[in-house]
Amino acid sequence: QSALTQPPSASGSPGQSVTISCTGSRSDVGGFNYVSWYQQHPGEAPKLLIFEVNQRPSGVPERFSGSKSGNTASLTVSGLQAEDEADYYCTSYAGRNNLIFGAGTKLTVL
Amino acid sequence: EVRLLESGGGSAQPGGSLRLSCTASGFTFSNYAMSWVRQAPGRGLEWVSAISGSAGSTYSTDSVRGRFTISRDNSKKTLYLQMNNLRAEDTAVYYCAKELEAHTDMVTYFDFWGQGTLVTVSS
Repeated sequence: QSALTQPPSASGSPGQSVTISCTGSRSDVGGFNYVSWYQQHPGEAPKLLIFEVNQRPSGVPERFSGSKSGNTASLTVSGLQAEDEADYYCTSYAGRNNLIFGAGTKLTVL
Repeated sequence: EVRLLESGGGSAQPGGSLRLSCTASGFTFSNYAMSWVRQAPGRGLEWVSAISGSAGSTYSTDSVRGRFTISRDNSKKTLYLQMNNLRAEDTAVYYCAKELEAHTDMVTYFDFWGQGTLVTVSS
């Protein structure tokens, strides 16, 4: 199964909002609401930001929000902060207990 | 505090074997499915394999099926990944990860991750 499609890079200035897309198919993103997003800083383990399309685990700032339309999920980071500079990965359940990741998006805070 | 600590990484030749371990603490280990996720140098994340809390069910991605075996010992709160017939493309940091929700066999979300252990396959 192919990785979900994400833009390789995204950027924004402090205080701005940026949206990262994650495109799959009806077999994964479009077929299930089991979409999540992870943040990974260099040299660190990933951190769960969003699960079940738009749910935030406790401790994740409200600045991070998720949504889905058809086969595309999106992560929006509002009020960009310097510490938001990281790699972001989407994932989706793809049936028969298979999980696929997006290729990742490097977010740069200008 | 939930903690996951991987060990067992290192170097192996193509065709060789390694066994990774992940020792868990801070939660009821047997209630949660666990997964291994890997990341090749400079690349993205890839889910590798998962096992249910009871160890009754296991799942793997196509590229490792038949070569890698996931298992767990709930009495020792330890997750394992036996990797056989290693290939150069298996070179990666291997993370163990805890499923968000208890008592589910579905592979969906990981709320805690270890720091990873590096596996290098080279002749």
